[in-house]
Amino acid sequence: TQLLEQSPQFLSIQEGENLTVYCNSSSVFSSLQWYRQEPGEGPVLLVTVVTGGEVKKLKRLTFQFGDARKDSSLHITAAQPGDTGLYLCAGAIKDMRFGAGTRLTVKP
Amino acid sequence: DARVTQTPRHKVTEMGQEVTMRCQPILGHNTVFWYRQTMMQGLELLAYFRNRAPLDDSGMPKDRFSAEMPDATLATLKIQPSEPRDSAVYFCASGLFLGLAGGPGGLDTQYFGPGTRLTVL
Repeated sequence: TQLLEQSPQFLSIQEGENLTVYCNSSSVFSSLQWYRQEPGEGPVLLVTVVTGGEVKKLKRLTFQFGDARKDSSLHITAAQPGDTGLYLCAGAIKDMRFGAGTRLTVKP
Repeated sequence: DARVTQTPRHKVTEMGQEVTMRCQPILGHNTVFWYRQTMMQGLELLAYFRNRAPLDDSGMPKDRFSAEMPDATLATLKIQPSEPRDSAVYFCASGLFLGLAGGPGGLDTQYFGPGTRLTVL
């Protein structure tokens, strides 16, 4: 069982659509991170959220940390083909753990 | 532009052979991680070091895997003997441990290398 459950596992949408992906856990995290991984590369950090209820924006990406610090969401507005990739959430209790990821494909 | 480097990028070997993967962390980073990524299991933490000392290798099969940091600029992950189920992409990541001032795990952030794609036939 994954410490961090991500959904959906796969998502294929058209350019211009909006989407939300989720990262859920039964554990409380002091902070949580989102990464994006492109084919043939390692994950790259997008954002760290620390405070329950916190919302951070990165251009068209909006990240929210749940009030109880057990879950997080990533919302992308007007998706573009360049957003295609594997989105991973990560949190630490003792050691860093990653979710299985949401594989997003944005078609032109 | 500081980066984590990994060699080799690709490795194809036969079952039973020894495999050594190398990682050069970013200069000044005091924490180095080894991860394995597969479609089935996702990204799994195998082991990590702080200031070259192994802190946790509980994610690593002990009978065949070993991880070392001979010096601050080199981390190695060795598999002996290799098996087909070891086929995966192995990532090294490095970061600066800040303790309470840091993010998850007390780190500033993790910077990942490009990975070594291992295929064991």
